[in-house]
Amino acid sequence: GAGVSQSPSNKVTEKGKDVELRCDPISGHTALYWYRQSLGQGLEFLIYFQGNSAPDKSGLPSDRFSAERTGGSVSTLTIQRTQQEDSAVYLCASSSSGTGLYEQYFGPGTRLTVT
Amino acid sequence: GQQLNQSPQSMFIQEGEDVSMNCTSSSIFNTWLWYKQDPGEGPVLLIALYKAGELTSNGRLTAQFGITRKDSFLNISASIPSDVGIYFCAGMNYGGSQGNLIFGKGTKLSVKP
Repeated sequence: GAGVSQSPSNKVTEKGKDVELRCDPISGHTALYWYRQSLGQGLEFLIYFQGNSAPDKSGLPSDRFSAERTGGSVSTLTIQRTQQEDSAVYLCASSSSGTGLYEQYFGPGTRLTVT
Repeated sequence: GQQLNQSPQSMFIQEGEDVSMNCTSSSIFNTWLWYKQDPGEGPVLLIALYKAGELTSNGRLTAQFGITRKDSFLNISASIPSDVGIYFCAGMNYGGSQGNLIFGKGTKLSVKP
């Protein structure tokens, strides 16, 4: 089956504009995660969805960031009023339930550049 | 946020050599994972470890979950050019409200052909 897909692969936007990043998880995976990776850095956790539970938003850096997951599948990460420091690669991952919950499978990422 | 201490930050080795990298944490983890990331791609899961002391292999890769639960190492035997990339360790705690992994900053591996 298909892996995690993300779109767009690259996004260039002007400072102050809103952007939406999309993630399609692996079919059947109940958990979905968003991470941010700045150049040469590790991964920074943003938000975590698990089934129908309320999402864990503790990693979102500001109230300009929000995410939704519709129908337990596709997720959209929205960044409002983008700033230059938002420039990074945004990675989405999904995992299954049980012990597989801890094995996250990543998409290729969306490279966001804010000019 | 919290990060693991991963070392070395980078390595430059001859093809055929063995490679070793490790991660340490001040917190106890119940799961350790190792990922590899190639340029322009997302991380790919290499090995997952669930028990203290566990030693697991995946081809030329071997990883161990430290007895103290605060560390893990990854060995690559007989390195080849396609081993080039960035290797990340990641750990997870049970019991926390977060389902997220905590990542190290990565070890960048470069191999001379």
